[in-house]
Amino acid sequence: DAKTTQPTSMDCAEGRAANLPCNHSTISGNEYVYWYRQIHSQGPQYIIHGLKNNETNEMASLIITEDRKSSTLILPHATLRDTAVYYCIVRGNPRIYNQGGKLIFGQGTELSVKP
Amino acid sequence: GAVVSQHPSRVICKSGTSVKIECRSLDFQATTMFWYRQFPKKSLMLMATSNEGSKATYEQGVEKDKFLINHASLTLSTLTVTSAHPEDSSFYICSARVGLAGGESGNEQFFGPGTRLTVL
Repeated sequence: DAKTTQPTSMDCAEGRAANLPCNHSTISGNEYVYWYRQIHSQGPQYIIHGLKNNETNEMASLIITEDRKSSTLILPHATLRDTAVYYCIVRGNPRIYNQGGKLIFGQGTELSVKP
Repeated sequence: GAVVSQHPSRVICKSGTSVKIECRSLDFQATTMFWYRQFPKKSLMLMATSNEGSKATYEQGVEKDKFLINHASLTLSTLTVTSAHPEDSSFYICSARVGLAGGESGNEQFFGPGTRLTVL
């Protein structure tokens, strides 16, 4: 699985957009970009995933560059409850044999949303 | 999303004893379950992958005789920490993956709330 690089920590003001970058320059064509977050002492929570196109759901937006070597997770209006460690993970499609499917976590970005 | 539970949420035991942690998928069948370990201020480390009815596949450096994994049904996997030592104290998290069919990759994997193990 391709590795990802994320900033160790970021701050964001409450109510503002939080933009979390992720570099995955060695991503291969069949690998997806997944984002999870972990609030202190809880299990990880799925946020969003994408392959090539930008994606949006009720939690966040995912912007993937055209060359797919980096992506940005956007929380449009951060709240104090969004304070967490955010993990960007690259993974093959587990629905396809031999494309892997293990979620391997890097160090993530510790996002602190401040009042 | 689907719900994964873990029991117990917190356990304290003496050195040398064994501890069993249960992971259940509550509203779906999980053909594959994963076990992770997380030390304070660190990321999650994958320990093993288990498929229902077969032996678990352990990641490099994880002792299979110390961390016994059983995945006897499509809704239950157990992790037993045998002869526990203080260095086994950690946050253990399980994850369950929905049975897959053809198609695009999606949100198939769901995490439990974790079990805090403290070995005295």
